[in-house]
Amino acid sequence: EVQLVQSGAEVKQPGESLKISCQGLGYDFATYWIGWVRQRPGKGLEWMGIIYPADRDTRYDPSFQGRVTISADRSISTAYLQWSRLEASDIAMYYCARYRDIVPTTMDYWGQGALVTVSS
Amino acid sequence: QSALTQPASVSGSPGQSITISCTGTSYDVGGYKYVSWYQQHPGKVPRLIIYGVSDRPSGVSNRFSGSKSGNTAFLTISGLQAADEADYYCSSYRNRDTHLVFGGGTKVTVL
Repeated sequence: EVQLVQSGAEVKQPGESLKISCQGLGYDFATYWIGWVRQRPGKGLEWMGIIYPADRDTRYDPSFQGRVTISADRSISTAYLQWSRLEASDIAMYYCARYRDIVPTTMDYWGQGALVTVSS
Repeated sequence: QSALTQPASVSGSPGQSITISCTGTSYDVGGYKYVSWYQQHPGKVPRLIIYGVSDRPSGVSNRFSGSKSGNTAFLTISGLQAADEADYYCSSYRNRDTHLVFGGGTKVTVL
């Protein structure tokens, strides 16, 4: 059974760094694209970026390029999303999702989400 | 402002059919067969219900169907049920500026 298991909720202060994780279980982690989607409170889904763990090919939406880093460690089947300096505007639920095809256009499995709160 | 345009809300009575539109451009919806639809109940994780414009993953009811005409994709829910009350998001591959874009979401209300 395919599962994406995300790390827990985080509460951070503005300016702090953060790295959240997403472990892929029940499939060959290296050969499926995996990525991140943001959902701010009461708002819609926003595509952030993706990574192909086998070769670490990474793509970002321009809105997130330079603000976050997506990475993956195939040895432990885990993808990451990290910030070097959090801002209040980063408050959101963050979902990881697996892409079903080699052309990454469809997210077939989703993690349970990780709520990030930024507050002084 | 979302890259793909969806109506904010659509409503219908139980048993009726409703259709949600998702309008993009020739760089995304109109140019490729890579439109997906996701259902999200309040406080829950999004769930894939349509991919490749009109294909359904196993386990998804055949009451959900997808289509496309020009730059606009459509999700039709037939035989509307109370359990269909949720937010629905379209997404499409895009070959300019970014890789994938979402619509703003449509809230479906069952009257």
